[in-house]
Amino acid sequence: EAQVTQNPRYLITVTGKKLTVTCSQNMNHEYMSWYRQDPGLGLRQIYYSMNVEVTDKGDVPEGYKVSRKEKRNFPLILESPSPNQTSLYFCASSHGPPRDTEAFFGQGTRLTVV
Amino acid sequence: KQEVTQIPAALSVPEGENLVLNCSFTDSAIYNLQWFRQDPGKGLTSLLLIQSSQREQTSGRLNASLDKSSGRSTLYIAASQPGDSATYLCAVNTGGFKTIFGAGTRLFVKA
Repeated sequence: EAQVTQNPRYLITVTGKKLTVTCSQNMNHEYMSWYRQDPGLGLRQIYYSMNVEVTDKGDVPEGYKVSRKEKRNFPLILESPSPNQTSLYFCASSHGPPRDTEAFFGQGTRLTVV
Repeated sequence: KQEVTQIPAALSVPEGENLVLNCSFTDSAIYNLQWFRQDPGKGLTSLLLIQSSQREQTSGRLNASLDKSSGRSTLYIAASQPGDSATYLCAVNTGGFKTIFGAGTRLFVKA
C-alpha cells in the first residue's frame, strides 16, 4: 500500500531534550516536506526536500533541522524543543514538484513540549 | 504575500443536503489548488487537484471549481452524508515548492 509513515504518532517531551520525528514514504517520491498545524493557522511549511541531500527552508524553519540521506526518509529534528513547538506535525511527499502533482500526507505526529 | 481564507470556519448541515465550501486566495498567480479532507488521527487525504489551466474537477459526489481571476475556489458536496463530517482544507501552490494552506472548514453532517 502506498503511504507516508510518521513515527511516533504522539510524543510528550520536556524542554531542551533533543528529539527526532521520522518520516518514510514507499512511493519513490522525490519531493518531501514537513508542516506544522496550529489552531486557526492552517498548515505552515517548515522544510522541504527536492531530492537526496537537497533541502531548503519553508516558512517557519526556526528551531528545526532536517536531513535527506535516503530518498525514502526525511526525518525532522528538534535539537532543543521549546513549548512553542507544541503542535501537530505532518510529513508529505509527491512524485513531482508540488506545482504539478498532488501531495500525499502522513497521519501526523502530535508533539507536546512541557 | 499569498493568503488563503476559508469561510465558514465551521458548518453544520442535515444529511442529504447539497453544500458548498469556499476558498479564496489573494494572488491569482497560482499553479494549482488542492482540496484535502482531514479526519482526526488520520492525517490529510487528497480529494481533488485542479491545475491552473483547469476550471473544475469532479470525483464522485465532489466537484471543485477554480476561478483564478477572482481568486476563488468552491468545493461542492452533493447529497451529504454523516461520513462526510471532517475538516476540509484547500491549498494553493504558488510556484516551486511553496504551498499555502487555508485554516479549513469543519463540516458536521447530522443524521
